[in-house]
Amino acid sequence: DVKVTQSSRYLVKRTGEKVFLECVQDMDHENMFWYRQDPGLGLRLIYFSYDVKMKEKGDIPEGYSVSREKKERFSLILESASTNQTSMYLCASGGGLGRGTEAFFGQGTRLTVV
Amino acid sequence: TQLLEQSPQFLSIQEGENLTVYCNSSSVFSSLQWYRQEPGEGPVLLVTVVTGGEVKKLKRLTFQFGDARKDSSLHITAAQPGDTGLYLCAGDQNTGNQFYFGTGTSLTVIP
Repeated sequence: DVKVTQSSRYLVKRTGEKVFLECVQDMDHENMFWYRQDPGLGLRLIYFSYDVKMKEKGDIPEGYSVSREKKERFSLILESASTNQTSMYLCASGGGLGRGTEAFFGQGTRLTVV
Repeated sequence: TQLLEQSPQFLSIQEGENLTVYCNSSSVFSSLQWYRQEPGEGPVLLVTVVTGGEVKKLKRLTFQFGDARKDSSLHITAAQPGDTGLYLCAGDQNTGNQFYFGTGTSLTVIP
């Protein structure tokens, strides 16, 4: 059974804190993605990675960075959390997305910044 | 700006009714997918359509890709409470490795 696992379901952090969201996949996929999900806006891409140590900005990268040191792990970092980063964060992986290949999602991390 | 707009944003219907959800864009996509997301979970793929005009059926769900590959629809016949969830369309333009997701349609089926 394929799996994408996010390290936390719920997180509460203070403004200004550095926040790490971890994602691990067991499908040997090259591509991994971080999205944030807000009501009425669907899923917006923050960053994606198509190989170890490779990353590309998505539509809303400001205030975020990522790390991919190993193929199976993709981390999202909020350098200095702000209240407007309160959201649901979804990690996904997929082999060769861009050709209609399925994306597998983690269960999501609901982050609240106070 | 969203590349893919879905309508309606919210839909609440009685069990047994039929419904259609739309996913529209001014851009052409090489393929389009539909996902369903239940509360507290990540989205799960329902179907992929790749050919303009293509129709796919999955039990009571019928998916159509527009002839011009700019739009898609999802039709549910005789909706059941188990169909409740957020429906998302997602398209790719074969210009890289990312998907573009629609704005989502939240469906509630009342028993």
